[in-house]
Order: sequence, then structure tokens, then C-alpha cells
Amino acid sequence: DAKTTQPTSMDCAEGRAANLPCNHSTISGNEYVYWYRQIHSQGPQYIIHGLKNNETNEMASLIITEDRKSSTLILPHATLRDTAVYYCIVPSYNNNDMRFGAGTRLTVKP
Amino acid sequence: DAGITQSPRYKITETGRQVTLMCHQTWSHSYMFWYRQDLGHGLRLIYYSAAADITDKGEVPDGYVVSRSKTENFPLTLESATRSQTSVYFCASTQFGGGETQYFGPGTRLLVL
Repeated sequence: DAKTTQPTSMDCAEGRAANLPCNHSTISGNEYVYWYRQIHSQGPQYIIHGLKNNETNEMASLIITEDRKSSTLILPHATLRDTAVYYCIVPSYNNNDMRFGAGTRLTVKP
Repeated sequence: DAGITQSPRYKITETGRQVTLMCHQTWSHSYMFWYRQDLGHGLRLIYYSAAADITDKGEVPDGYVVSRSKTENFPLTLESATRSQTSVYFCASTQFGGGETQYFGPGTRLLVL
């Protein structure tokens, strides 16, 4: 897997957008960027993934830079329930060992 | 809409005992995975399976045994539990491997005394 770097923790005010960055400078051309989150004590939950175009779904938006060396997960209107650890993962193609690092602990504050 | 389930959800055992953690999925996904998560750390892959009767090691396989006789089940056995295996164990599944979206179970919290 391409190595990813994320900030250890971030805070966000409730109702504001949460922007979570991830660096993946060694990403290869056919490798996707995946985001998962883990709410306290629960199993990780898939959020979104992308290759090179920006993506949006009902949970979040994913912005990938043109050189694909970094990306940002955007939660447009963060709520208290979005408090979780967010993982940015770049799994190698055909590699089933998806490496979850330490992630970013997002705390949404009232 | 059962999805992926794990049992037991909580388990306390003693050093040296054999423990089996169960994972069951109702999607008929080909791939299944076992991860462990130690307090304050990310997930680490123990074993995975690409199909029935096909298994492979992950990052931390030592001390664990898996089998996959049926597509929907993927049990994880600790043959002789050690205190270092105290952890939260998550099972996941996906239809296609190679980094495709994985769907996780609720986890089993194992304490080895």
C-alpha cells in the first residue's frame, strides 16, 4: 500500500464543514484513495473512494489533487455523530492487505 | 438484512485455552478478512480468504488459525491464547479483493487473563 500521512487529531464546530487532509505522495496511477471511519467501539465504516476525479456521496465529498499526491475528505455539515477516527487508505492494486494506520481523530464540538 | 455478524461479542478466557471467534456474512461475498485492533491503534490484518478453502496470511498471523469451509463463514481460532492476544477482533467481507470496499462486523472484544 502507498504510505499515507494524516494529522493525529482535528476539531470542528458542529454545523461547519470538516476538512480532513491526507498525503499519499507515493500513490501509483491505478491506486484508489479510500476513506473509512470508526466511531468509538464500532467496526470501521466505508465512507467514499476515488481515483482522480472528485467524488461526492450522501456522506461526504472527496477532493483529490491533480497530481494525486494528496486528498481531502469533506464532511459538509459536521454533527456530533461524526466524531470518529477517520482513516485514509491507498491499497495496492490486487493487494488484500489494506493497511489502516492511526488515522485522524475528529472531534466535533457543540 | 443481517449483513455481517460476529460471535461472541465479548469473551474472557485464560492463557493457554483455545478460543474460536465466529464470523458470518449473508452477502455471499467471496473475500473475508480478520483484523485485530489493539487499544489506541489502527487495524492490522491477521488472515484473509479469497474463497472457500482459500486462505492467506496477513500482517500478524502468528498464533492464529483460520478455515473457510463455507463461503459465508470464516472462523478465527486462537489455538493457545496468550495475553498479547487481548484485543478487539473485526471481521470484514467484500465481493472483490484487491482493496475493494470492505464491510465490517461489530467486533469481538477478547480478554485473555
